Amino acid sequence: DGGITQSPKYLFRKEGQNVTLSCEQNLNHDAMYWYRQDPGQGLRLIYYSQIVNDFQKGDIAEGYSVSREKKESFPLTVTSAQKNPTAFYLCASRNGGGVETQYFGPGTRLLVL
Amino acid sequence: KQEVTQIPAALSVPEGENLVLNCSFTDSAIYNLQWFRQDPGKGLTSLLLIQSSQREQTSGRLNASLDKSSGRSTLYIAASQPGDSATYLCAVRPSGNTGKLIFGQGTTLQVKP
Repeated sequence: DGGITQSPKYLFRKEGQNVTLSCEQNLNHDAMYWYRQDPGQGLRLIYYSQIVNDFQKGDIAEGYSVSREKKESFPLTVTSAQKNPTAFYLCASRNGGGVETQYFGPGTRLLVL
Repeated sequence: KQEVTQIPAALSVPEGENLVLNCSFTDSAIYNLQWFRQDPGKGLTSLLLIQSSQREQTSGRLNASLDKSSGRSTLYIAASQPGDSATYLCAVRPSGNTGKLIFGQGTTLQVKP
């Protein structure tokens, strides 16, 4: 089955700790995206990557970092500099031809202990 | 700066009613507009995508329209069912190559049996 997987489903972070959220896709898509969703709100773009070894900041990149070493993988690190990390994090990938659309993973909920 | 607004924020209807969800955007320079469904604690499922050159798209009981000049889109749901209960998100893809989406806050729909 083709799709996007995110792990873990729930993640707990202690004060001062960096945590990494995993996103993997087997759709052979070049472009991948990370969004943050707060309760009762829409999604906001954190980072995106249109090709391996290249990525760009989105609207709320402060306190986050990413890497794109493989086409299939786009991990997101929430650093200790992110003071309000509690949110639902969604990863997406986009097909490159025909009708371009984004496909979303199931999400990771990050909570602060 | 593109902004997307959805009205109403929440809606409760009895089963069988036809209903309309509204989405407005401030910049008409868009590549496409997409409607998503989100169940509680889950990722997003794409419902309909309308290219900037199109006026509407239909899928089963769903019909989405787009009026770029007025910056509006509507999602029409016919003969609503309890299984339609979810949050519906509207997202605009601005013109350009990044492929990023700008989301509205969503409309949470409850269909009562």
